[in-house]
Amino acid sequence: DTEVTQTPKHLVMGMTNKKSLKCEQHMGHRAMYWYKQKAKKPPELMFVYSYEKLSINESVPSRFSPECPNSSLLNLHLHALQPEDSALYLCASSHRSGTGGENTEAFFGQGTRLTVV
Amino acid sequence: DAKTTQPTSMDCAEGRAANLPCNHSTISGNEYVYWYRQIHSQGPQYIIHGLKNNETNEMASLIITEDRKSSTLILPHATLRDTAVYYCIVRVFLTASKLTFGTGTRLQVTL
Repeated sequence: DTEVTQTPKHLVMGMTNKKSLKCEQHMGHRAMYWYKQKAKKPPELMFVYSYEKLSINESVPSRFSPECPNSSLLNLHLHALQPEDSALYLCASSHRSGTGGENTEAFFGQGTRLTVV
Repeated sequence: DAKTTQPTSMDCAEGRAANLPCNHSTISGNEYVYWYRQIHSQGPQYIIHGLKNNETNEMASLIITEDRKSSTLILPHATLRDTAVYYCIVRVFLTASKLTFGTGTRLQVTL
């Protein structure tokens, strides 16, 4: 199984709503990532989790709250978003390191297309 | 991670080889060259990576210059399904650190 599964595929939410994006992988990867991608732009890193602990936060506003409840799951909690937060949100996972000979290529999900109204 | 420079767009006829260049003149000795592609509205897909030797897999070949300051991704027989944005990324191999995307090359494969 080399899949990263993201749900939902599409989400429309109001600026006062609270919603969550979910990401799941069963490849034994201990590094997981959230990216944000605006139209016609490259993906931008938001957060990196390593062994279920937040290791990188790219100065993301607090209205985005990541959570890694276990080694297979990654959530992104959304609260009080703005219309400019509308984007494709991508989750990815990889092995934490290649010291055991593992390839550290990142596997990406198909993303959640978020629209904030 | 080192910065990369790629052409904004390229065209290729179906069945011909697509050669996508990437400049990474500030690459460090412990940084690898990774290539990903993103087909419209899908998540990025890993293609290949290398350190200093040329690499080949079922998808593509990667040619890295001897001074490691540039590389070329080769799709030997491009098809319409290879139309995508191709990203060249350099990063340290033994890490779960940032995978930083540049602007990429939009490859259009035509009949």
